[in-house]
Formats: sequence, C-alpha cells, structure tokens
Amino acid sequence: DAGVIQSPRHEVTEMGQEVTLRCKPISGHNSLFWYRQTMMRGLELLIYFNNNVPIDDSGMPEDRFSAKMPNASFSTLKIQPSEPRDSAVYFCASSLSGSTDTQYFGPGTRLTVL
Amino acid sequence: QQPVQSPQAVILREGEDAVINCSSSKALYSVHWYRQKHGEAPVFLMILLKGGEQKGHEKISASFNEKKQQSSLYLTASQLSYSGTYFCGTRKEGAQKLVFGQGTRLTINP
Repeated sequence: DAGVIQSPRHEVTEMGQEVTLRCKPISGHNSLFWYRQTMMRGLELLIYFNNNVPIDDSGMPEDRFSAKMPNASFSTLKIQPSEPRDSAVYFCASSLSGSTDTQYFGPGTRLTVL
Repeated sequence: QQPVQSPQAVILREGEDAVINCSSSKALYSVHWYRQKHGEAPVFLMILLKGGEQKGHEKISASFNEKKQQSSLYLTASQLSYSGTYFCGTRKEGAQKLVFGQGTRLTINP
C-alpha cells in the first residue's frame, strides 16, 4: 500500500512568492493533518480535516496560510506571500479516525524561502 | 499544552538500556510514540490507551501511568538502528489531535 504522498519534496522560493504544498493521504483514511517542523518550535499542528472538513485551524500562523481539502484524496497548504521565517519542513499525516487514530506521516516538504 | 519529555538527549553505547519519559499536565486518553531519523518523517512505534497494558515492539516497550499522566518508553539492549529523535504525542479524551513533545535525541555509539 502506498503511504502518504507529498509533493514537492523540496521547494526553494523567494520571499513574496506563493507556495503550494500538496498531500495525498492513505486511501480510506478520513482524517488529514498538516504539521510544520522547525528546530526552534518542534513539531506543530497547523490544521486538521475530518471527512474533508476543517476541524481545527488554530495552529495556522496567520492569514498568509490557507489549507483546502476538496476531496478525500487530496489536500493543499498554501502560503501567500511567503516569508523567510516560513522556512521549515512541512509534514502531512493521515489517520482512520477511531479509538486509536494512529497518524501516518508523509515524507515531508522541505521549504526554503530566501 | 505540550507534553514534557525527558531527558532532552541521551548518548549510549550499543547494548545499553534507555528510558524516555513523557509527562502531561492534562488528563490523557492516549499516548503515541514516534521515532524520527535525520531527514526523514516520524515513524509510528506504538500507542498506549488509557486503561491499557504495557506494549512492546521488539526490544522497545512502553507503559502509561494514568495517575501520573506519564508514559515511559523503554529501549532494551539498544542497537545502532535505534538512533534518532523520539517524540511522544498525547491525546485528550474526546479530542482527535495529537500534541507532540519537544523530542528526545538518542545517539547509539558502537
């Protein structure tokens, strides 16, 4: 079975540009999570969806960040405009909601904003 | 509220044992343990549920003390492949999201 798929794996962009990160969850999973990881702040939850509906976006840093899940097999995280402090590794994870809710992580997208 | 992990880092020789702790100030429903190697994604190790028993995975096991709201991860006779950063993720009853600790970096030397 394919795991969580993320693209691109690496993104280098200049400040002010729009960045779109993509995620395909594990087939059959109904929850999807976006995380950001930095040395300073560790692994932070940005937003999560349940059955394609955003449930908790309290971790989204500011209005420059937005996330969508148009269907069960695809989600995007967009940053517009990007800033150097957005540089981080962004992970997508998915789970089958239930008593255990084990989350499986994708390989991540390493974003560098110059 | 972020759980607190201790120690922050530990260095062992191959074959030695280690214990990593994860404490929360909130009542927990479950604790999830992950290992992340440098440049890779976190990989799920095991989950401990409220009221559940100690779990094991090869020579890695864990326990969950509900009274103390603390979980401990035990690595026995460590192998070089155990090196990495270990994270605990905690979930409150009724909540779906995990809150991760800051991680414990484990280095195993030959």
